[in-house]
Amino acid sequence: QVQLVQSGAEVKKPGASVKVSCKASGYSFTNYPMEWVRQAPGQRLEWMGRIDTGNGDTGYSQRFQGRVTFTRDTSTSTAYMELSSLGFEDTAVYYCFRQGGVGWGQGTLVTVSS
Amino acid sequence: ENVLTQSPGTLSLSPGERATLSCRASQSVSSNYLAWYQQKPGQAPRLLIYGASSRATGIPDRFSGSGSGTDFTLTISRLEPEDFAVYYCQQYGSSPYTFGQGTRLEIK
Repeated sequence: QVQLVQSGAEVKKPGASVKVSCKASGYSFTNYPMEWVRQAPGQRLEWMGRIDTGNGDTGYSQRFQGRVTFTRDTSTSTAYMELSSLGFEDTAVYYCFRQGGVGWGQGTLVTVSS
Repeated sequence: ENVLTQSPGTLSLSPGERATLSCRASQSVSSNYLAWYQQKPGQAPRLLIYGASSRATGIPDRFSGSGSGTDFTLTISRLEPEDFAVYYCQQYGSSPYTFGQGTRLEIK
């Protein structure tokens, strides 16, 4: 079955960067784009963008353009999300999910604190 | 961007009752690419419906989706105790793939 396992919780200072990984199993990694969303405490889900895991093409929400980078490693079936210039408002749970919504990671809590 | 507005914000019902949740888009959703998710505290969302009306694998048939264009509905025909959660709609017809603000379904 589709399984996505994300890296563990992070605590970062304002201005720093964070990189979250998402390791896929149970399906052909390069056949499905990976999408990323985040959820601030008590808030709605917010779509950040997606990466074509086959050719590496990316699409970003304008809200995060210039601050977020998606990459992937096909040899390990792992997708990555890196967010830079962190502010307090970036404190949230970050999720990866396979296009179509069938498989989701367990979420990674990123806390921005001074 | 296509803004999704869900109503009501909170729905208080009893097990066995019927639940009707609404999702309205500010622009027509391309190809009816509209999904519904269920989220319980501390858990990732779970896909219920895609393409506005197709049930995801393993989802009980008491869940159904309908609608087209800008107005969509998720119906739970007979509520079970495990159905009390937050429900989100998402459009994936045009980037950015926006989510609604959620409907909290609580036990009355």
